[in-house]
Amino acid sequence: DVKVTQSSRYLVKRTGEKVFLECVQDMDHENMFWYRQDPGLGLRLIYFSYDVKMKEKGDIPEGYSVSREKKERFSLILESASTNQTSMYLCASSPPRQGVNEQYFGPGTRLTVT
Amino acid sequence: KQEVTQIPAALSVPEGENLVLNCSFTDSAIYNLQWFRQDPGKGLTSLLLIQSSQREQTSGRLNASLDKSSGRSTLYIAASQPGDSATYLCAVRRGATNKLIFGTGTLLAVQP
Repeated sequence: DVKVTQSSRYLVKRTGEKVFLECVQDMDHENMFWYRQDPGLGLRLIYFSYDVKMKEKGDIPEGYSVSREKKERFSLILESASTNQTSMYLCASSPPRQGVNEQYFGPGTRLTVT
Repeated sequence: KQEVTQIPAALSVPEGENLVLNCSFTDSAIYNLQWFRQDPGKGLTSLLLIQSSQREQTSGRLNASLDKSSGRSTLYIAASQPGDSATYLCAVRRGATNKLIFGTGTLLAVQP
């Protein structure tokens, strides 16, 4: 079974803090993704990575950066957290673009910025 | 620009009923379509994935169909149970990329 884990289920941070969200997958997947989920807006792609040290912007990258130093780990960084970044953050991984490439999701991190 | 819509936004049915959830998309040039389930406050669990060349996929009481030309997919749940209560999301993969575009989901409540 594919397992995608996220470092925290719930996180509360103050405005202006630097925030790190960590995601680890155990299936040697090349692709990893960060989404945020908000009521009425659904899931929106922030960033994704198709290989170590490779990254590509998604639909809403502003205010975020990412790091992928190892294949199994993909980090989302909020350089200076703001209240409009309060959201549910979901990480996913998938095999390469050839073939089925089903996406597998982690349990999510509920981030509150006060 | 691809847009994915799910109707209805919420659905309540009595236990045992068969039901259909709908997903429509504006651009028929999709690579595949995936159905997910999300329990409150949790991540997404993949239910079924249909490749663009396929018409349907089945897993247990679930059957998903795909009609690319009309831009529609349906998720059929047979003999619904209270444990099926969750939000159901569909997502289409944009061509050769790995990016998914999600619908906003249908919140299903199965009443015992």
